[in-house]
Amino acid sequence: EPEVTQTPSHQVTQMGQEVILRCVPISNHLYFYWYRQILGQKVEFLVSFYNNEISEKSEIFDDQFSVERPDGSNFTLKIRSTKLEDSAMYFCASSPSQTRNTEAFFGQGTRLTVV
Amino acid sequence: GESVGLHLPTLSVQEGDNSIINCAYSNSASDYFIWYKQESGKGPQFIIDIRSNMDKRQGQRVTVLLNKTVKHLSLQIAATQPGDSAVYFCAEKGDTGKLIFGQGTTLQVKP
Repeated sequence: EPEVTQTPSHQVTQMGQEVILRCVPISNHLYFYWYRQILGQKVEFLVSFYNNEISEKSEIFDDQFSVERPDGSNFTLKIRSTKLEDSAMYFCASSPSQTRNTEAFFGQGTRLTVV
Repeated sequence: GESVGLHLPTLSVQEGDNSIINCAYSNSASDYFIWYKQESGKGPQFIIDIRSNMDKRQGQRVTVLLNKTVKHLSLQIAATQPGDSAVYFCAEKGDTGKLIFGQGTTLQVKP
């Protein structure tokens, strides 16, 4: 069964450092998303991406964040200068469509710990 | 604005009993809802969805009920099994495909 894969599973970084979280969406999907989940809290939308551009972003997704689809398979989330409050689980999701009755498939997540 | 929430953070049930997990929403314009299951260390997994033109939808051992009058939806799990232990989130899907998640209910199944 096709799945969304994320690497690394756990990333520890020092405050102020740049991190890149990587995702390989399901191959025939066209819509890509990043979400984050701070420990014990709900999953929060960060950004959606379609046709090589951001279609929507949340207030959380400030200038420190960027996304890129550098090739035909990877979808990355970059945090330029990490802060302690960026520590969270980051989930990538992909979907063949953005319509309401289309499921989004989530990866296993990357746990980011900023120290 | 962001509007989806759940009533209880934790629900403990006996194996074999039925579970009911609740969710309230505040945006009366919301018209599509999804329940997700999140097991420890994993990403959210789709369980079942419902559109606002429906009151009820059934899947395998799961039923979602939608009450638009009081802006409430629930997930019912029949004959709860240990493998059902997880955090359950309701979510609203917007026009652009983004999901707005509620806080989550942890379901604990006692053997």
